[in-house]
Amino acid sequence: NAGVTQTPKFQVLKTGQSMTLQCAQDMNHEYMSWYRQDPGMGLRLIHYSVGAGITDQGEVPNGYNVSRSTTEDFPLRLLSAAPSQTSVYFCASSYSPGPTGNTIYFGEGSWLTVV
Amino acid sequence: SQQGEEDPQALSIQEGENATMNCSYKTSINNLQWYRQNSGRGLVHLILIRSNEREKHSGRLRVTLDTSKKSSSLLITASRAADTASYFCATDASGRAQKLVFGQGTRLTINP
Repeated sequence: NAGVTQTPKFQVLKTGQSMTLQCAQDMNHEYMSWYRQDPGMGLRLIHYSVGAGITDQGEVPNGYNVSRSTTEDFPLRLLSAAPSQTSVYFCASSYSPGPTGNTIYFGEGSWLTVV
Repeated sequence: SQQGEEDPQALSIQEGENATMNCSYKTSINNLQWYRQNSGRGLVHLILIRSNEREKHSGRLRVTLDTSKKSSSLLITASRAADTASYFCATDASGRAQKLVFGQGTRLTINP
C-alpha cells in the first residue's frame, strides 16, 4: 500500500514548455485533488475530481488541465509553463467525502521550477 | 483567498511544554482540519472536526472549534522535538467537493 504517489519529485521547465505531473493512489479513493504551495503560504486548490470521468475547478485553475480516466490516476498538465507556476505541487485523495468531509491523504509533493 | 488565518505565525517553546495554535476563518464551514508538514515533505492529516462538534482529542492533540467565533485551536501537550513542523488549519465549506482553504500556517519549533 503506497498511498499517494507523485512523479516527478523535481522538475525544471523552460517558459512555454508543457509537462504532466503524475499522481496515483492505491487506496481506491473516489476523491482526488491537486494543490499548489508557494513559499510561506498555505495550499491552494487547483482542480479536483469526485470520481472517474468527473473533474472540476478549484481556486487557481488557470494554466492547468486535468483528466480522470481511472479511479487510480489523476494527472495534472501544465499547458504552457510560466515562471508564476514555479511552486510545490501536492496531489491528495480521500474516500467519498459525503456531506461532512473525510480524511485527506497527501502525496510527498513535486517541486517545479519554471525558468 | 486564505480563509484561515493562523496565530502565531511562529512559535518556539521548550521540550515538554504545551503548544497552542489558533485559527480564525470567515465563512460558515462543514468541517475544519489540522495538518502537519515537516520541512520538504507532504502534509499529514492530524484531526478533522465537524461543524457540530466542539472538541476532539487524538493522543497528545486537542482541537476545539467555536463556530460562533469562527475560530479553532490546536493544543499539543508535552511537546517533543519531533513535533517541530509547520501546522496548518484548513476549512471546508463545500461538503462533498472538499475544497479545502488553507491558512498560512504556524511554524512550531521545539527546543531540546
